[in-house]
Amino acid sequence: NAGVMQNPRHLVRRRGQEARLRCSPMKGHSHVYWYRQLPEEGLKFMVYLQKENIIDESGMPKERFSAEFPKEGPSILRIQQVVRGDSAAYFCASSPPSGTSTDTQYFGPGTRLTVL
Amino acid sequence: GNSVTQMEGPVTLSEEAFLTINCTYTATGYPSLFWYVQYPGEGLQLLLKATKADDKGSNKGFEATYRKETTSFHLEKGSVQVSDSAVYFCALSYYRTGDKVIFGPGTSLSVIP
Repeated sequence: NAGVMQNPRHLVRRRGQEARLRCSPMKGHSHVYWYRQLPEEGLKFMVYLQKENIIDESGMPKERFSAEFPKEGPSILRIQQVVRGDSAAYFCASSPPSGTSTDTQYFGPGTRLTVL
Repeated sequence: GNSVTQMEGPVTLSEEAFLTINCTYTATGYPSLFWYVQYPGEGLQLLLKATKADDKGSNKGFEATYRKETTSFHLEKGSVQVSDSAVYFCALSYYRTGDKVIFGPGTSLSVIP
């Protein structure tokens, strides 16, 4: 059973460009979470999605950031008009559907975004 | 609000030394507690977890006990190896799908031969 997959692993963008980060959850998992790890800081929750629904986006910056988890395909975290302060590692996690007996989130390897 | 506090690093130990990384939390109710490990250049891996008071999680020689009375979940290992060098994150979440994981700031461990 493949784990959570993220691509690309490394992404370099110039200021003002768009960054698109992809996450494929573990097989059978229908819940996806995005976290950001800024340099010298811990991981902070950004957004929680189920298929075609954003459930909790309380950690998302109000502007330039958006996330989706379509019925088919991976979850996408999109950052428009990137700035240097967006440089960070972005981690995706997934968990099984509601009603299962686990509360554990499984993390992907992360995408390291560098904004020049 | 809910939060997790860890001892500050970096921690440097000699191989075969005893490891303790302190972790305390603030939360309402009964969260599940976790230790995640991040090896250099890699993502997070779940190291161990405990879901209720007095539970002991263990994996790869590491262990931690859920102490409700002291709101703590200290990580211990009897004899560290160079390969244990990593950043360790204490975390909490609630026993239902969909709750965000709240992480501590992380503790960097370096084990020298």
